[in-house]
Amino acid sequence: RKEVEQDPGPFNVPEGATVAFNCTYSNSASQSFFWYRQDCRKEPKLLMSVYSSGNEDGRFTAQLNRASQYISLLIRDSKLSDSATYLCVVNGMDTGNQFYFGTGTSLTVIP
Amino acid sequence: ETGVTQTPRHLVMGMTNKKSLKCEQHLGHNAMYWYKQSAKKPLELMFVYNFKEQTENNSVPSRFSPECPNSSHLFLHLHTLQPEDSALYLCASSHALANTQYFGPGTRLTVL
Repeated sequence: RKEVEQDPGPFNVPEGATVAFNCTYSNSASQSFFWYRQDCRKEPKLLMSVYSSGNEDGRFTAQLNRASQYISLLIRDSKLSDSATYLCVVNGMDTGNQFYFGTGTSLTVIP
Repeated sequence: ETGVTQTPRHLVMGMTNKKSLKCEQHLGHNAMYWYKQSAKKPLELMFVYNFKEQTENNSVPSRFSPECPNSSHLFLHLHTLQPEDSALYLCASSHALANTQYFGPGTRLTVL
């Protein structure tokens, strides 16, 4: 079983739409959770950390559900510049602090 | 952004060549990482260094040899690679092992 699983997509949405991605993780002892964004042929960049109480940064909202072991990312009012691959990342203190990356979810925002 | 830099950005090498990838971080971090990213696969952690000491080696073949002379520099020495080693090699750093990781732009490696 993969440590982190994401729907690879692609998600093709019109500008202004709201889109949500989910990610599940297998290690219930995981401690830290992140969403990274990766543009084509570029490096991953931190989008936001995910806190237990949920957190929001502008148009982006991240949620954590420990009971069901999933993380979500909601993007409101999609912009063309949101087109990228979104990587779910999970870290577990009992795995030598190793970060596990999902394969990513591809988003294309269409004019 | 120049927090984490990597050179070269692109590398083409034959299977008998020896080359090195270089990573430098200007963020004052203590941990550095090498990852491999192949098409359609998640990032694969290769090596972790914390305060210059290697803490993780994820069963990486010996044809990949890391070196960390100090907390700001990380090298990946390559020799007798295989075509399946062609990938994007990413360096990352973090303040501590469990903290957010910041990535360099990567070296796109092609092995002929």
